[in-house]
Amino acid sequence: EIVLTQSPGTLSLSPGERATLSCRASQSVSSSYLAWYQQKPGQAPRLLIYGASSRATGIPDRFSGSGSGTDFTLTISRLEPEDFAVYYCQQGGTFGQGTKVEIK
Amino acid sequence: EVQLVESGGGLVKPGGSLRLSCAASGFTFSSYSMNWVRQAPGKGLEWVSSISSSSSYIYYADSVKGRFTISRDNAKNSLYLQMNSLRAEDTAVYYCAREVVVVVAATRYNWFDPWGQGTLVTVSS
Repeated sequence: EIVLTQSPGTLSLSPGERATLSCRASQSVSSSYLAWYQQKPGQAPRLLIYGASSRATGIPDRFSGSGSGTDFTLTISRLEPEDFAVYYCQQGGTFGQGTKVEIK
Repeated sequence: EVQLVESGGGLVKPGGSLRLSCAASGFTFSSYSMNWVRQAPGKGLEWVSSISSSSSYIYYADSVKGRFTISRDNAKNSLYLQMNSLRAEDTAVYYCAREVVVVVAATRYNWFDPWGQGTLVTVSS
């Protein structure tokens, strides 16, 4: 069973700063199955990135994904106020535990 | 507009049963695998179950195997989750999600999109 470990648990940043979120798999996974989601309080998760690096429809280009094998990264180049949320990585039926991006 | 709307959540006693529904619209429901994902209060996402487009392939998380049953009615564009022998630890918001599979240059991609708004299941005496 694959385990996805996200770090850090919480990221405290200011608007305009760069956010770098990590997702590490317990064994090598196919990049084509690696997705990232954003979830705001009281809302359903929203797809951001699929295939490790492809942005979903309507997702701003400040969001980017990268990585392969066991190490994947979601980068938000310049945080906007609406980006403060929890982010999850996913591979098939496995989700990471989430990274909360909060306002510093 | 592609949309998923869950219903059927509520308060149930331990050992009780509940049936969740997910109504799909805006896409060809019968062409997609569907999933249930839950989120306990203040916790992360946990995949629960999936069903293929024609119901040929069904999978469950170990935590619900033998107690939950996923099904679908393609004629009604609906997905279901029958939950029996409910426990306190089943308390969560339950989301249905469409599984998108795309093959590009012999590489298979998949992800969940969209998700419904969720329905809350509370198991408590």
